[in-house]
Amino acid sequence: NAGVTQTPKFQVLKTGQSMTLQCAQDMNHNSMYWYRQDPGMGLRLIYYSASEGTTDKGEVPNGYNVSRLNKREFSLRLESAAPSQTSVYFCASRRNRDSYSNQPQHFGDGTRLSIL
Amino acid sequence: SQQGEEDPQALSIQEGENATMNCSYKTSINNLQWYRQNSGRGLVHLILIRSNEREKHSGRLRVTLDTSKKSSSLLITASRAADTASYFCATDVYSSGSRLTFGEGTQLTVNP
Repeated sequence: NAGVTQTPKFQVLKTGQSMTLQCAQDMNHNSMYWYRQDPGMGLRLIYYSASEGTTDKGEVPNGYNVSRLNKREFSLRLESAAPSQTSVYFCASRRNRDSYSNQPQHFGDGTRLSIL
Repeated sequence: SQQGEEDPQALSIQEGENATMNCSYKTSINNLQWYRQNSGRGLVHLILIRSNEREKHSGRLRVTLDTSKKSSSLLITASRAADTASYFCATDVYSSGSRLTFGEGTQLTVNP
């Protein structure tokens, strides 16, 4: 059982290049999330998908787009990369969409992205 | 601003000692969760405490929740070098739908 799988693990881009980060989960979870983590900081939510077919903005959505391709896959796209987007990106999933279900999130191991 | 704030930011102890980390938050919650992050890895869920619970145990972990003070603590007893990691609290708020809000974390170092 792989859990949450992110690809690639590392990537270096030049300013202005585009890139898609891939995430897949095999736990049949309904909700999926994209976070970024900068040095010495907690996680900040970029976008999330509460259920298949829906996506919503989080705290820091500017410069990013997402696609919930199907129940398993949730991708994050940088259309025109900027140095400020250098970060570690984490994908997560959760079984149920609402907070009343009291479910934890399950995380991938991250994509380390550097933009020069 | 972050819903959860951890204290201290960094903690260094000797193996065998207990480690206590605190988390404060601002709004009413449905539950509060603690996660561990080893260097270079993703977050791993440790324990979830619901708003109507006051204390919860899991192995060497003990979590308390005081909703009147809007605070939680994570106690790791008899710490080991392998407990060295960053620890994050996350709040699950009724009005936020399916989102968690994470604090900035406590970096715990356990010296052998």
